[in-house]
Amino acid sequence: AQSVTQPDIHITVSEGASLELRCNYSYGATPYLFWYVQSPGQGLQLLLKYFSGDTLVQGIKGFEAEFKRSQSSFNLRKPSVHWSDAAEYFCAVANMFSGGYNKLIFGAGTRLAVHP
Amino acid sequence: DGGITQSPKYLFRKEGQNVTLSCEQNLNHDAMYWYRQDPGQGLRLIYYSQIVNDFQKGDIAEGYSVSREKKESFPLTVTSAQKNPTAFYLCASRPAGSGETQYFGPGTRLLVL
Repeated sequence: AQSVTQPDIHITVSEGASLELRCNYSYGATPYLFWYVQSPGQGLQLLLKYFSGDTLVQGIKGFEAEFKRSQSSFNLRKPSVHWSDAAEYFCAVANMFSGGYNKLIFGAGTRLAVHP
Repeated sequence: DGGITQSPKYLFRKEGQNVTLSCEQNLNHDAMYWYRQDPGQGLRLIYYSQIVNDFQKGDIAEGYSVSREKKESFPLTVTSAQKNPTAFYLCASRPAGSGETQYFGPGTRLLVL
């Protein structure tokens, strides 16, 4: 069965520190991969996506993610975290070549807290 | 401004009552979705619609109903058959050829009185 695992439920970092949020997926086919961010009580905002090509993708707000097929991972990184980055982050995967409707599978999320 | 709007922001349901959550988009997107979000569980798909007058059940459709009479609108009704409706409900839409890139509305929080 298709699944997305975000191993860290909560992460706390200091402002200015680097950040890496982990995402592992279980999928037989070539995946589409996404990272979304959600502030409390708000909808989800797309940070970045990977479909093909360069395995290091850049997103909004200074975030980047790297697709590693051998590790079935798509980890999100930011070199220097700002207090405004405190939010919940969701990794998601969809099948690239299934045809028809491609279901988006979400991880359970990682809640990021930022200390001043 | 283009976007996805959901209303109301908060909704209270009495026992045995049906309530309807609104989702409207002016992005000219073909597909629309409803998700339910519970703490620690990520998002679960309730219903989706790829074109007008057509919709399909997602993973947790029991106790919910939808309609898609217009491209811009995809309302969700939470029926009295849904015994645990308290959750945050998110609507999303997707343009054609986007590789399943979905864009989300601000959400509706449903609470039971």
